[in-house]
Amino acid sequence: GDSVTQTEGQVALSEEDFLTIHCNYSASGYPTLFWYVQYPGEGPQLLFRASRDKEKGSSRGFEATYDKGTTSFHLRKASVQESDSAVYYCALIPSSSFSKLVFGQGTSLSVVP
Amino acid sequence: EAAVTQSPRSKVAVTGGKVTLSCHQTNNHDYMYWYRQDTGHGLRLIHYSYVADSTEKGDIPDGYKASRPSQENFSLILELASLSQTAVYFCASSDAGAYEQYFGPGTRLTVL
Repeated sequence: GDSVTQTEGQVALSEEDFLTIHCNYSASGYPTLFWYVQYPGEGPQLLFRASRDKEKGSSRGFEATYDKGTTSFHLRKASVQESDSAVYYCALIPSSSFSKLVFGQGTSLSVVP
Repeated sequence: EAAVTQSPRSKVAVTGGKVTLSCHQTNNHDYMYWYRQDTGHGLRLIHYSYVADSTEKGDIPDGYKASRPSQENFSLILELASLSQTAVYFCASSDAGAYEQYFGPGTRLTVL
């Protein structure tokens, strides 16, 4: 079945460090890919999405590029801040589904001043 | 602004007891969802609904029932709660055919 794999379970960085969270997916056709962010005590909220090969999604300094060749959608940010501390989820909606989100395991990001 | 609320925000239940989690949305969305969140598993879909009075099974429906009495309300029912159902539960809503789902703040359920 369709699946999403996030390599890092936890990431600890200092402010102004470069962030990469790896996301690989398995799905047929062209799924829509998402990054969601979850702050403590809240539900996940959409960061951005991408629907086509080579499309770049971005928001709040975060970005990811849809790569069908490597089935990846890695999240990157050039300079993280303490306020970026949260759990980040990579997710997909299969091309055959009405709106059924499939989530990765989540990556907990902790940024210290 | 879109709003999804859940009640209660936390609950402690006994094994074998009945638990009902409630969700209310003011987004005028057709679709509603119930997910559970567990460390190491992310969020997994339990049940969903695309119209009032109808529910569909998600990926992990066993041990759960759902009820959608109106467009705004969607409940998750655990008839016989078990220890393995200790988790955080999230409700979400979305427009028909829309990609973005709006999540509630979650309910932390502890089954003892």
